[in-house]
Amino acid sequence: EAGVAQSPRYKIIEKRQSVAFWCNPISGHATLYWYQQILGQGPKLLIQFQNNGVVDDSQLPKDRFSAERLKGVDSTLKIQPAKLEDSAVYLCASSTTPGTTQYFGPGTRLTVL
Amino acid sequence: GIQVEQSPPDLILQEGANSTLRCNFSDSVNNLQWFHQNPWGQLINLFYIPSGTKQNGRLSATTVATERYSLLYISSSQTTDSGVYFCAVDPSGGGTSYGKLTFGQGTILTVHP
Repeated sequence: EAGVAQSPRYKIIEKRQSVAFWCNPISGHATLYWYQQILGQGPKLLIQFQNNGVVDDSQLPKDRFSAERLKGVDSTLKIQPAKLEDSAVYLCASSTTPGTTQYFGPGTRLTVL
Repeated sequence: GIQVEQSPPDLILQEGANSTLRCNFSDSVNNLQWFHQNPWGQLINLFYIPSGTKQNGRLSATTVATERYSLLYISSSQTTDSGVYFCAVDPSGGGTSYGKLTFGQGTILTVHP
């Protein structure tokens, strides 16, 4: 069974530029999560989808971050414009249903200069 | 929100030694998961353990939900066990909080040959 796929693996941008990350969850997983992991900290949940609907986005900085999962499968997370403090690893995870075991992708390491 | 505290923050072992990692949480939880983040950044699910004890090879975990803590035991440690161990909890309450993991700060484990 293929795991959670993410791309790109690394991205370096200047502040105020925009960037997008892509995630393809494990086949059949209805629930998809995006996390932000700042160096030295545990991951922090940004947004949770159930199929193509948003379940929780209370910790998403909506003035600059957006995410979508239009067909209930893969998802895109966008940052526009990026700030220095957005430098982090962005992790995507999926699970069969909310509350079950979450499986993580390899992450995208973003550096904002 | 719920607080998750892990101890110790750092642990250095010689290969073959045993260790115990602790996770304390401040409120009732729907579930608790232990993860290992390897040196390449990949988060790997170790246990889904809202209560009771589970074992998987050299690793075992115990969660005492009524006393709000969980323990991860690593026996006969190997250099490949090195990395960061995270505890993550899903607060009780159902609804939109179901599946919303809050991570601790992690325990950094280094195993020397």
